[in-house]
Amino acid sequence: AQSVAQPEDQVNVAEGNPLTVKCTYSVSGNPYLFWYVQYPNRGLQFLLKYITGDNLVKGSYGFEAEFNKSQTSFHLKKPSALVSDSALYFCAVRDQTGANNLFFGTGTRLTVIP
Amino acid sequence: DGGITQSPKYLFRKEGQNVTLSCEQNLNHDAMYWYRQDPGQGLRLIYYSQIVNDFQKGDIAEGYSVSREKKESFPLTVTSAQKNPTAFYLCASSAMQGGNQPQHFGDGTRLSIL
Repeated sequence: AQSVAQPEDQVNVAEGNPLTVKCTYSVSGNPYLFWYVQYPNRGLQFLLKYITGDNLVKGSYGFEAEFNKSQTSFHLKKPSALVSDSALYFCAVRDQTGANNLFFGTGTRLTVIP
Repeated sequence: DGGITQSPKYLFRKEGQNVTLSCEQNLNHDAMYWYRQDPGQGLRLIYYSQIVNDFQKGDIAEGYSVSREKKESFPLTVTSAQKNPTAFYLCASSAMQGGNQPQHFGDGTRLSIL
C-alpha cells in the first residue's frame, strides 16, 4: 500500500530565509509524487510533481522539490521565503492501482515570520 | 476561465436531513473526486468517478452518496446516516491520460450541523 508522511505539523521560518517542508513516501513501485498548497477556506492548488527524470523538480511560485529515492523523500524547498508563502502544504502520492487517486499526507502549516 | 465550481460555500444541516453539495467542472476532465478535510487529518477520499454513469467508493463512503449523470457534474449527498458530517468538503477533477495528471480542486463547501 502507498502512503506519505509529513513529519512536521508546523514549520516557522523568517522572511528571506530558505524553507524546507518535509515529505517521505512509501510505494511498491515507481512513485508519482505531488505537492499542493492550500490557503484559508480555499481548495488545494497544484505546485509541482515528480513522475520521472531529473531529481530536482521546479514548480509554481519559485518552489522546487528534491526527489531522493534512497531516502524515499520528496522535500519541498524555496530559496527565499515570502510572508505570502504562509499556508498549509500537502504532499501526495498516486495510487498504484491505476485509478489515478491520490493519497495525501496530513499537511504542514508553514508560517513565514516578517 | 476553466475550473471547478462548488456550491454553496457554506451549508447547514439539521438533524435527520439529507443535503446535497454541488460540483461542476468545465475542464473536460473524465475523472472527478470528493474529499473530506478535517483538521489534522489531511484529505480523505469519499467517492470517485472515472467516467459518466460510473463511480467507486473511496476510503470513507459510508453515509454519503453520489451520481455522475453528466461529465461536468458530480454532486455529493450527505445523508442522515453520516453522524459526524461537520467538515470541509472538496471536489476535484483530473484528466485520465497517462495517469500522471494533477488533480484540480474547487474552493470547497463547509458543512456544519445546526
